[in-house]
Amino acid sequence: GESVGLHLPTLSVQEGDNSIINCAYSNSASDYFIWYKQESGKGPQFIIDIRSNMDKRQGQRVTVLLNKTVKHLSLQIAATQPGDSAVYFCAEKDGSSYKLIFGSGTRLLVRP
Amino acid sequence: GAVVSQHPSRVICKSGTSVKIECRSLDFQATTMFWYRQFPKQSLMLMATSNEGSKATYEQGVEKDKFLINHASLTLSTLTVTSAHPEDSSFYICSATGQGHNEQFFGPGTRLTVL
Repeated sequence: GESVGLHLPTLSVQEGDNSIINCAYSNSASDYFIWYKQESGKGPQFIIDIRSNMDKRQGQRVTVLLNKTVKHLSLQIAATQPGDSAVYFCAEKDGSSYKLIFGSGTRLLVRP
Repeated sequence: GAVVSQHPSRVICKSGTSVKIECRSLDFQATTMFWYRQFPKQSLMLMATSNEGSKATYEQGVEKDKFLINHASLTLSTLTVTSAHPEDSSFYICSATGQGHNEQFFGPGTRLTVL
């Protein structure tokens, strides 16, 4: 079936560096994408979202890029901090469905 | 705003017993609530979707008689794991969305351990 997948299961970065977390999706009908952060033992926390009519959206220290041609989504975190250590999930939704489909997740480890 | 709570946060039960998990939207009316299950080091898997006042819609492979969902009000949904077994041990997460909203607001999760 349709799925959302990630290239890297674990990403280790030095504190202060920029992080890039990637996600590939397969449903060309998906029109809404979200990045979530999940800390150990907690529920997912919304980070940023983007609709398919955009290719870039910026938040505070985070940027999401969407490339619909190759069905690729990325999350960029600027000046990564220890508090950014968590598992990051991308999720997709298409307009015909109420469901969110989650990717497999990437663990971000920030080295002091 | 848009806070979702779950109770309990952790529960340990004996095999064969039933456990009820509550999901509440604290500051908005949740027309739809979702229940997810997450095994260690895995992603969230949707179990079922419930709309206030109607029967839940279960995902393929999820037993509706084992995982009873009730969405009796616009602020409360409950998930009851009946005759729990050790393989039901997992992290159960609910989310809620209000009318006209795309975004799902997630609860903090409930860790279920079945001995």
